This record gives sequence, C-alpha cells and structure tokens, in this order.
Amino acid sequence: EIVMTQSPATLSVSPGERATLSCRASQSVSSSLAWYQLKPGQAPRLLIYGASTRATGIPARFSGSGSGTEFTLTISSLQSEDFAVYYCHHYNNWPLTFGGGTKVEIQ
Amino acid sequence: EVQLVESGGGLVQPGRSLRLSCTASGFTFGDYAMSWLRQAPGKGLEWVGFIRSKPYGETTEYAASVKGRFTFSRDDSKSVAYLQMNSLTTEDTAVYYCARGRIYFDYWGQGTLVTVSS
Repeated sequence: EIVMTQSPATLSVSPGERATLSCRASQSVSSSLAWYQLKPGQAPRLLIYGASTRATGIPARFSGSGSGTEFTLTISSLQSEDFAVYYCHHYNNWPLTFGGGTKVEIQ
Repeated sequence: EVQLVESGGGLVQPGRSLRLSCTASGFTFGDYAMSWLRQAPGKGLEWVGFIRSKPYGETTEYAASVKGRFTFSRDDSKSVAYLQMNSLTTEDTAVYYCARGRIYFDYWGQGTLVTVSS
C-alpha cells in the first residue's frame, strides 16, 4: 500500500496570499494524483487530476504540479471561500490511498 | 446538473447490518463506475471501493478493511448505487460518500453518517 503524506497539517494564510500544499508518496505514482477540497457539510470537490489538470469549473488560481513522489497544490491568491481542508490521493494502483489532509485556515 | 444523494445512514449496533443508497441525477448513470469513500470522525478520507458499469461486468473492488463484509450493487434503471454493510463494527463509524468515477472522483454526494454503537 502506498502511503501518502501531506504537509503541513495546518497552513495559516491571509486572504490574497499564496498557499503551497505538499503531498508525498512513499513510492512513485507517476502522475496519478488528484486533489480535493472539503468543507463541512458540503460535498467534496475535485480540484486537480493527473497531478496538474484542473477539473471542470475550477478557478485558475488553483494549480497542481509534480510527478513521481512529490506533488504540490498551489492556490495563487487565497479567497475567503478557499479556506477548507485539502486532500491528495493517488490512483496508481489499488488500494487508492489519501493523504492526511492540510487545513488551510485564516491567519 | 450532476447530483448524488446518499441516504440510509443512522445509528446501528455492532454486528448488525445497514444498506446505504446513492441516488444519482443529471448524467447517464449506467455509463459510469461508482465509488464509495468514508471519513471517520476527526480522520481523513478512506477509499472503500467501487462498482464498475454494466459494460465492464459490474465488477467490484474493495478496501481490505471492508472486504467480505461490504457489498456494492447498482440498479441502473433507477440510477441508484447501493452499499450493503454487514457485521458492522465501531471502526465503521464514519460519514459515507458516494462519488462518480473509479480512479478519481469528479462528483460527490454530501455524505450520510453511519454510527455504530451499542
């Protein structure tokens, strides 16, 4: 089973600032990586798949990069609606596994 | 508009069974694999498994933690996916989500809470 590790666990950022979230895989997952945004009481939202492809309707301020074992989600200028928990997961093989999440909170 | 709505959650005693439903709308349900994921209180997301579409034999894949206890099924005529959960334990307490897709998930429901407790 591939272990996904996200860092930091919590990121305190001011609105308008840039946020950089990291996700590391215990072995290569090629570009088989997705990012999701979770807010309490809402359906999770797919942001990125294929490590760097934005999902339908996702604003351009969200970008993904990386391959192999190191991945990054960047939010270029945080908006109020972006404060949430973000999860990465790999889909290189079974079982699919998720990182522990990064909570992006208002500084 | 794509919508997924889970139902059937609630309080259940350890060892008992529960069946969740996921009602879909806004897309051709029969064309897609459907997945189930869960999030235990205070924990991260966990993949539970999926059921493929009919052209792919409605084959299934399960996480090790639920294999042999949980069963996926679907009724394409009703656009509903089901999760039958047997021999529940307290470790199964979580919000259960259904999602469209097999490897990554482009639409999710809002989840239904399953609490396993005596």
